[in-house]
Amino acid sequence: DIQMTQSPSSLSASVGDRVTITCRASQSIGTYLNWYQQKPGKAPNLLIYAASSLQSGVPSRFSGSGSGTEFTLTISSLQPEDFAIYYCQQSNRIPITFGQGTRLEIQ
Amino acid sequence: EVQLLESGGGLVQPGGSLRLSCAASEFTFSSSSMAWVRQAPGKGLEWVSAINGGNGNTHFADSVKGRFTISRDISKNTVYLQLNSLRVEDTAVYYCAKASGYGTGWYGKNDCWGQGTLVTVSS
Repeated sequence: DIQMTQSPSSLSASVGDRVTITCRASQSIGTYLNWYQQKPGKAPNLLIYAASSLQSGVPSRFSGSGSGTEFTLTISSLQPEDFAIYYCQQSNRIPITFGQGTRLEIQ
Repeated sequence: EVQLLESGGGLVQPGGSLRLSCAASEFTFSSSSMAWVRQAPGKGLEWVSAINGGNGNTHFADSVKGRFTISRDISKNTVYLQLNSLRVEDTAVYYCAKASGYGTGWYGKNDCWGQGTLVTVSS
């Protein structure tokens, strides 16, 4: 199975900050990498797919990059509604696997 | 608007069974791949199973292989997850999600999710 490792596991930041979350795959996955945001008590919401494509309806302050084994999610200017848990997911091989999550908290 | 609505969760004893349902609307269900993802209380996301909308092939996480089955009824726009031989560690919110392929991959991304249904396995 492909293991996905996110860093950091948690992050404190302020409104207006630029934030970057990293996701590493245990083997190359090309660009079969997705990012999700999850708020308490809610289902995950797709932000970025194919490593760098912005899902329709997602604000442009979210961006993704990377290929192979290293990927990043960047939020250019944090808004109050961005404080949540973020997950990466690889869809290159079955079983599909997720990172352990990064909790983004208000500083 | 694409919608997914899960049902069927509840409290069950270890060794018991449940069938989860996910009713889909506003997309071409017959050719869509569908997945189940679960989340244990306070934990992260775990992919459980998927069915390929093109060829009907099914796939499972090792943790549920041989105990869970996934199926679909195209006439009802519904995908099912049959949970057998349930264990305490299967306790989780189970989400149904649409899988939309990109590139040459059939699974791609989970671009629509249901609200989830809670399965509690306890004696």
